[in-house]
Amino acid sequence: GNSVTQMEGPVTLSEEAFLTINCTYTATGYPSLFWYVQYPGEGLQLLLKATKADDKGSNKGFEATYRKETTSFHLEKGSVQVSDSAVYFCALRMNSGYSTLTFGKGTMLLVSP
Amino acid sequence: SAVISQKPSRDICQRGTSLTIQCQVDSQVTMMFWYRQQPGQSLTLIATANQGSEATYESGFVIDKFPISRPNLTFSTLTVSNMSPEDSSIYLCSVGLPQETQYFGPGTRLLVL
Repeated sequence: GNSVTQMEGPVTLSEEAFLTINCTYTATGYPSLFWYVQYPGEGLQLLLKATKADDKGSNKGFEATYRKETTSFHLEKGSVQVSDSAVYFCALRMNSGYSTLTFGKGTMLLVSP
Repeated sequence: SAVISQKPSRDICQRGTSLTIQCQVDSQVTMMFWYRQQPGQSLTLIATANQGSEATYESGFVIDKFPISRPNLTFSTLTVSNMSPEDSSIYLCSVGLPQETQYFGPGTRLLVL
């Protein structure tokens, strides 16, 4: 079946540090890939997405590139802020027919001033 | 996009009781989904609820434990029946068309004592 693997957290960074959260996937076919973010006490919000190989999703300074050859969709940000502290979920959804999201376990990011 | 609200936002319940969670969407949607997020875990799909038909449950979830109603295109309820401490989770409502972005409500935080 399909699955998503994320690096374990928490990831602890100082403000303005560079962020990478690794995400790899296993899928029978060509999925769309997503990053969702969950701020403390809130629901999930879509952060960015990519629907085909070599696409780059970007939003709020975050970006991730769909790499088919390495089955990866790593999340990066050049300079994190305290307000970026949240849990980040990588997810996939197959592009054929009806399909729901498959989530990774989530990675908590803690940014200190 | 879709704006989703859930009630209650949180609750503390006694074991053996039942809780009904409401999900309201600001636009008409065909497909609604209910997820569970256990402490420190990722999201697990409970069921898909289409208006006018029985909900479709994922493996490990049954209608007797998690009855769902979908009376119209903007509303759904999920009941957690005969609760035990293992049911302590965040329950999230989600909407989305096939191949479209999936949106999430803020979640209902349930603690069962």
